[in-house]
Amino acid sequence: KAGVTQTPRYLIKTRGQQVTLSCSPISGHRSVSWYQQTPGQGLQFLFEYFSETQRNKGNFPGRFSGRQFSNSRSEMNVSTLELGDSALYLCASSLAQGGDEKLFFGSGTQLSVL
Amino acid sequence: GQQLNQSPQSMFIQEGEDVSMNCTSSSIFNTWLWYKQDPGEGPVLLIALYKAGELTSNGRLTAQFGITRKDSFLNISASIPSDVGIYFCAGQLAYDMRFGAGTRLTVKP
Repeated sequence: KAGVTQTPRYLIKTRGQQVTLSCSPISGHRSVSWYQQTPGQGLQFLFEYFSETQRNKGNFPGRFSGRQFSNSRSEMNVSTLELGDSALYLCASSLAQGGDEKLFFGSGTQLSVL
Repeated sequence: GQQLNQSPQSMFIQEGEDVSMNCTSSSIFNTWLWYKQDPGEGPVLLIALYKAGELTSNGRLTAQFGITRKDSFLNISASIPSDVGIYFCAGQLAYDMRFGAGTRLTVKP
């Protein structure tokens, strides 16, 4: 079974630009969550999608948005990039059924904002 | 949301030594998870715990779900160089999952 796939693996952008990151969950997984990780920081929760609906949201500004498609694939968008948005963005999927909420992570997208 | 309190922040140990790290919270959780992250990669699930008091092993790794449901610990026995990485705990209640800040483990050969 293929794992969680995130594209692109690396991305370099400049301040003010916008970026879209993509995540394909494990087949059969209906929940997709996004996290931001910066050096020395833990995993900061961005949002979670289940069956195309945002079910949970972290404390990030409105510049961070996401969506989920009918095949459970998800995208995350960051508009008007700032230097502080440089981070590893991780996507995780879970079965989200019968209390099984174990998260399986992708390798992440390393975003650098110059 | 509020992060879990994970300690220690970092550990420097000799190969062959045992390691212990823990996570505490002011909130109760139904599930505790332990992850390991290698540089430049996403966290990989090591152990999942579903019941208070549960003790689960995965090779040289042993984790326990605290009786109060507010804490968990992870032990690594006879450490080897490939144990190097960042270990994260995670507590879950319904749709809410919280992570610790991580324990960075360095193993000297």
